Amino acid sequence: NAGVTQTPKFQVLKTGQSMTLQCAQDMNHEYMSWYRQDPGMGLRLIHYSVGAGITDQGEVPNGYNVSRSTTEDFPLRLLSAAPSQTSVYFCASRSGTGDSYEQYFGPGTRLTVT
Amino acid sequence: KNQVEQSPQSLIILEGKNCTLQCNYTVSPFSNLRWYKQDTGRGPVSLTIMTFSENTKSNGRYTATLDADTKQSSLHITASQLSDSASYICVVPRNTNAGKSTFGDGTTLTVKP
Repeated sequence: NAGVTQTPKFQVLKTGQSMTLQCAQDMNHEYMSWYRQDPGMGLRLIHYSVGAGITDQGEVPNGYNVSRSTTEDFPLRLLSAAPSQTSVYFCASRSGTGDSYEQYFGPGTRLTVT
Repeated sequence: KNQVEQSPQSLIILEGKNCTLQCNYTVSPFSNLRWYKQDTGRGPVSLTIMTFSENTKSNGRYTATLDADTKQSSLHITASQLSDSASYICVVPRNTNAGKSTFGDGTTLTVKP
């Protein structure tokens, strides 16, 4: 299994540009999520999905869109990039339910918005 | 307010030494607490999951403790190795079904030869 994969690994955008961060998992997990990690801060939840066709907002959803057309893929779209979106983005998926789930993170995408 | 506070913010130790990282939380209701290891440039990897009824759990040289009464957890690393250099993150889920968790800011551990 490849686990959770993310592309690209690095990206530089200009203010106002749009782009999609790709995330895929091959573990058949229903639950997937996107986080951002800023220097010196804990991870913050952007959006999550409990299954194909179902998405919901996390703590910091503004400026981002998601969709979940398949179990495997969960792309994150930046509509109009802003310098405040400069961050490292992690996609995660999890197995199990209740308290015993295991969460698996991708390698991250480092995004810089100039 | 749901919070997870970790200390120290950073720590430098010599290879072979032991160390203990602290995590205090105010998340309620409490169901479990997780420790992750994050290597530089990588995603977090799960080390341990502590449920309400567990006081101690070991994973190799890593031992986590939990005191649900005082809302404190610790991660003890024994006989540190250079590969232990990483950020250690304490996480307390707020709503398991929605996957909403409160992440600590992490403790950055550097192990020197």
